[in-house]
Amino acid sequence: TQLLEQSPQFLSIQEGENLTVYCNSSSVFSSLQWYRQEPGEGPVLLVTVVTGGEVKKLKRLTFQFGDARKDSSLHITAAQPGDTGLYLCAGALANAGGTSYGKLTFGQGTILTVHP
Amino acid sequence: NAGVTQTPKFRVLKTGQSMTLLCAQDMNHEYMYWYRQDPGMGLRLIHYSVGEGTTAKGEVPDGYNVSRLKKQNFLLGLESAAPSQTSVYFCAIRAGGSAQPQHFGDGTRLSIL
Repeated sequence: TQLLEQSPQFLSIQEGENLTVYCNSSSVFSSLQWYRQEPGEGPVLLVTVVTGGEVKKLKRLTFQFGDARKDSSLHITAAQPGDTGLYLCAGALANAGGTSYGKLTFGQGTILTVHP
Repeated sequence: NAGVTQTPKFRVLKTGQSMTLLCAQDMNHEYMYWYRQDPGMGLRLIHYSVGEGTTAKGEVPDGYNVSRLKKQNFLLGLESAAPSQTSVYFCAIRAGGSAQPQHFGDGTRLSIL
């Protein structure tokens, strides 16, 4: 059972279309990060959200953290071929007392392909 | 990726062989992590370290051992490789403080025949 469910797993769209990727959990996260990964490379951080209801924008990318800090979404407006890649959400579980040592729980990833 | 170097980049092993993957950092971060990445499963934490001389188990530690004798290096060992350990292995580092991101190396692609 995946603690952080990411959907869809695959997304193939045409240039100019909009898309949304979702990450959902029944657990509460103290923070949630979105990474992008290209073939042959490691994931690279796009954004970190820490406050319930927080919205962050990075050019054509909009990230939202759910009010209850159990879910997050990534919306891309007017997708471009350069957006093609693997998108990963990763959360740091909120805990009562002990430290999580920065451990992250990753979603399964969304492979996005944007066709010219 | 600047700051995190993984060696080797590729390796093919036969079942039962042993090997060690090296992760080296030049950012003086306390936290280091080893993940494996398999299709459709995201990244899963194998072991991690919160400082020199310390190690701890992650989500999928069986079949792996680690050591952090020096702060800048985190080694991942496979004592007796199995085909189920065919994967791409990533090392990550992280500075202290809440909500800090992890910085990843470029991975080691390991195939066990």
